[in-house]
Amino acid sequence: EVQLVESGGGLVKPGGSLRLSCAASEFTFSNYSMIWVRQAPGKGLQWVSSISTTSSYIYYTDSVKGRFTISRDNAKNSLYLQMNRLRSDDTAVYYCARPRTGLDDGFDLWGQGTMVTVSS
Amino acid sequence: SYVLTQSPSVSVAPGQTARITCGGTNIGGKSVHWYQQRPGQAPVLVIYYDTDRPSGIPERFSGSNSGNTATLTIRRVEAGDEADYYCQIWDTSNDHWVFGGGTKLTVL
Repeated sequence: EVQLVESGGGLVKPGGSLRLSCAASEFTFSNYSMIWVRQAPGKGLQWVSSISTTSSYIYYTDSVKGRFTISRDNAKNSLYLQMNRLRSDDTAVYYCARPRTGLDDGFDLWGQGTMVTVSS
Repeated sequence: SYVLTQSPSVSVAPGQTARITCGGTNIGGKSVHWYQQRPGQAPVLVIYYDTDRPSGIPERFSGSNSGNTATLTIRRVEAGDEADYYCQIWDTSNDHWVFGGGTKLTVL
């Protein structure tokens, strides 16, 4: 089955770190840019970061720049998000997602999400 | 940075037509995607590139985009359509994705 499965979420104290993973199955992972999107409790969707197929192009939303690092391992069909210096407003469900085809295309495949809670 | 504006809520009776709008400066010059998100679930792409439907999405869902407003139209609304709907664009000025704030569709 074509799918994305996130893992690595949990409870962390402010200032702490966490690494999220997203495992891709049954499609050619290396052919797709990949995305992280988050959703704070009761709030809307927020794009977090994007990475191109060969990691040549990487983008971040301003609020995570300098704290989060997106990466991928095409040999392992995996996407990662290293989150450092976490803050309470980073508390959210984190989804990985795949664009249909092109850089500006809609996201036709989403994981189930992993919850990150930043609290003392 | 580019801002997408959605009404917080829309209510419609079963069988009627729901129109969910997404406002942005000259949004008609951009490509808009729409997502449906039911409670506790991941978003689902329902319209891409303004008007196209992914396979498996009913024909009742359609999209349009012109001027400063993009619209998601759901005809013959069913109880199962009750969800949050988000519009999205790719902002070429800074290579960032932008989501609208979301619209909660209530089926009366």
